[in-house]
Amino acid sequence: DAGVIQSPRHEVTEMGQEVTLRCKPISGHDYLFWYRQTMMRGLELLIYFNNNVPIDDSGMPEDRFSAKMPNASFSTLKIQPSEPRDSAVYFCASSLPQGLGANVLTFGAGSRLTVL
Amino acid sequence: AQTVTQSQPEMSVQEAETVTLSCTYDTSESDYYLFWYKQPPSRQMILVIRQEAYKQQNATENRFSVNFQKAAKSFSLKISDSQLGDAAMYFCAPAYAGGTSYGKLTFGQGTILTVHP
Repeated sequence: DAGVIQSPRHEVTEMGQEVTLRCKPISGHDYLFWYRQTMMRGLELLIYFNNNVPIDDSGMPEDRFSAKMPNASFSTLKIQPSEPRDSAVYFCASSLPQGLGANVLTFGAGSRLTVL
Repeated sequence: AQTVTQSQPEMSVQEAETVTLSCTYDTSESDYYLFWYKQPPSRQMILVIRQEAYKQQNATENRFSVNFQKAAKSFSLKISDSQLGDAAMYFCAPAYAGGTSYGKLTFGQGTILTVHP
């Protein structure tokens, strides 16, 4: 398997623009997580899905952020409009079903977002 | 809610020596897992080792081992025979074992490990 695939690896945009980050989880993994990493706040869980259904979005910072998982092999994290404080590395991770994966998350390589 | 404390922002070790990274956590759960992840300069998050809280035996994975003290809520990582490739940021992370919180990792702030040749 190719692992968790994220795109783009790097994104530079201007304040106010829409940003869409993409993630393809490992086949057979039915949990998908979006994390954000910044120097100030470390690694934070934004939202996670189970079987394409959002389970907990309490970490989503505000209404400018939205995430979807239309099918088992694709998820997006959208920021609209983007702000400089959204600059961070965004990680997607996936995990096997309960009882099989022992909570082990496999991470993608991350998407580094810079908002000017 | 879980809180995680990694009290050592930075650590250094000589190649081939042993180093221990500390982690304490706070949780009200009885069934959980504990993880150490490393993040090298490539920024890829890589699983180092995991421990089931119900197991008394400390987990080992080649040169990596943990000292798990459940009552003290302590979970330290020992790296033996350190190698240059071990240089990275290391994160401790507990996670609930089941229910609707399955898979939610709470990460500590990380410890930067430098390995000197």
